[in-house]
Amino acid sequence: GAGVSQSPRYKVAKRGQDVALRCDPISGHVSLFWYQQALGQGPEFLTYFQNEAQLDKSGLPSDRFFAERPEGSVSTLKIQRTQQEDSAVYLCASRRTGEGYTEAFFGQGTRLTVV
Amino acid sequence: DAKTTQPPSMDCAEGRAANLPCNHSTISGNEYVYWYRQIHSQGPQYIIHGLKNNETNEMASLIITEDRKSSTLILPHATLRDTAVYYCIVRVTYGGATNKLIFGTGTLLAVQP
Repeated sequence: GAGVSQSPRYKVAKRGQDVALRCDPISGHVSLFWYQQALGQGPEFLTYFQNEAQLDKSGLPSDRFFAERPEGSVSTLKIQRTQQEDSAVYLCASRRTGEGYTEAFFGQGTRLTVV
Repeated sequence: DAKTTQPPSMDCAEGRAANLPCNHSTISGNEYVYWYRQIHSQGPQYIIHGLKNNETNEMASLIITEDRKSSTLILPHATLRDTAVYYCIVRVTYGGATNKLIFGTGTLLAVQP
């Protein structure tokens, strides 16, 4: 595809429900990131993959958050037992390389609303 | 990564140059200055980056002071489509186990017709 694709664009979940958010990075991109963006705030880092390896998960707010990228391409961010404070836009970004600077391309995000 | 300070909001008239300042007084010698912007309901978009020399591309110019403690992003002829939140980010060149960008709250640039 031409860019980073995220699905669904919008998700409404009842409190306590599990959700799965999908990210299709640009084909061949080694690096993949997940960010969380609360209303009126800048994006906050959640986790980073280099190919299938999750090298940094320091930003995941609790053990209810889990991310995977099993084949080094598509990634899924899973949130278990959603809470109202999980309501945010979840952004995925990919970069062509793992080392050195290359531009990060972001998807449009998934807006999660927990009711 | 060094901390950055940006004004929360700015206005600019359409067709005029927009000059967005960023202070990064604690920047170290191996840290680059990156600018991204986020148009409403979209993901952030890369604009430009630099180390110490001024940089220009098709979108913008980046002016970094000689002491590197501050920089200015210049959009030479702002259009309504440039209305967005602009983020100034300082970090070392990419490498190692993590390459994350740390965003602040940015500057909301409103281009007025």
